Amino acid sequence: EIVLTQSPGTLSLSPGERATLSCRASQSVSSDYLAWYQQKPGQAPKLLIYGASSRATGIPDRFSGSGSGTDFTLTISRLEPEDFAVYYCQQYGGSPRTFGQGTKVEVK
Amino acid sequence: EVQLVESGGGSVQPGGSLRLSCAVSGFTFSSYWMSWVRQAPGKGLEWVASIKQDGSEKSYLDSMRGRFTISRDNAKNSLYLQMNSLRAEDSAVYYCARSRGYYENWGQGTLVTVPS
Repeated sequence: EIVLTQSPGTLSLSPGERATLSCRASQSVSSDYLAWYQQKPGQAPKLLIYGASSRATGIPDRFSGSGSGTDFTLTISRLEPEDFAVYYCQQYGGSPRTFGQGTKVEVK
Repeated sequence: EVQLVESGGGSVQPGGSLRLSCAVSGFTFSSYWMSWVRQAPGKGLEWVASIKQDGSEKSYLDSMRGRFTISRDNAKNSLYLQMNSLRAEDSAVYYCARSRGYYENWGQGTLVTVPS
């Protein structure tokens, strides 16, 4: 099983700042099959990024994904008020599909 | 518009059973893998099970195999999860999701509570 470790656990930032979230895998994620999701309280997760760097339909370009192998990053270039949420990474290169434990982006 | 609507959650005693349903619309259901993903209160996300377009392949997280059964009815555009021998640790919001390996669209979830 591929274990995904996200850091930091909590990121305290102000609107307009840049957010950098990390996801590290316990073994290489084949074909960069890594996705990112955003979840707000009381809501279902929402797909942001798949294939490590491809934005899902309708996702603003301030969200970008990068990385390969075992180290992946989600960057939010300038935080908007609606971006404060919990973010999860997920790998789909191995079985079972696994998620990271999440990074909370909160208002500083 | 893609829509997934779960139902069937509730409170059940340990050892009991529940059948969750997910009604979908807005896309060709029979063309997609479908999955169930759960989230315990205040916790992260956990994949539960997936099923191929025609139902011929199914996969489960090890801790669910033998207790949970995923199925689908393409004529009714519906996905199901039969959950037996429920335990307190199965308490969670259960989401159905359209799958491409990643989870492209999600329902709003249905809450299952198994008291300890």
